Amino acid sequence: GIQVEQSPPDLILQEGANSTLQCNFSDSVNNLQWFHQNPWGQLINLFYIPSGTKQNGRLSATTVATERYSLLYISSSQTTDSGVYFCAVEPHQKVTFGTGTKLQVIP
Amino acid sequence: DVKVTQSSRYLVKRTGEKVFLECVQDMDHENMFWYRQDPGLGLRLIYFSYDVKMKEKGDIPEGYSVSREKKERFSLILESASTNQTSMYLCASSLQFESSYNEQFFGPGTRLTVL
Repeated sequence: GIQVEQSPPDLILQEGANSTLQCNFSDSVNNLQWFHQNPWGQLINLFYIPSGTKQNGRLSATTVATERYSLLYISSSQTTDSGVYFCAVEPHQKVTFGTGTKLQVIP
Repeated sequence: DVKVTQSSRYLVKRTGEKVFLECVQDMDHENMFWYRQDPGLGLRLIYFSYDVKMKEKGDIPEGYSVSREKKERFSLILESASTNQTSMYLCASSLQFESSYNEQFFGPGTRLTVL
């Protein structure tokens, strides 16, 4: 099956810093999503981005489908950004999640 | 907004018990999914359904079954719970695989402990 790798696995940021999270996948995909899992376990939808670039406030994402990667940018990080960030891809019906990037933003 | 609800946030059961986890979505989505999440293993797909009464095995279906009698409801069944099924269970739904826009939405999760 498709392999989905996220980097880095862990990240510690000072509040206000910027960061880039990466998602690489081993095959072509129909869909790609980014999620943020909060401390209570809820998965929050960030972006639905099979290709191109999208922005939502301090967050933006870019997917280059032909090169099989996606990037999530977090600017001016806040403590509420802490949690685990997942990318999920759908090559054909079955959705596969990456192992996540655990982000800790410290004051 | 899409709303996906799960019957319990926390559940404690004994080994050998039959366990039902219920999931309901209110957006007329065709697809529904059950995942489990374990530390170091990420989210793994157990079963999914793309229509009423239809089901497909995911990556780890052993020890589980599912039921989808109505479009809005997808149940996960542990016929005889075992301690290795202690986990966080997450339900999700999406519009349909043929759609050009097939975003998944998740419920809040159920933390199941099997003693």
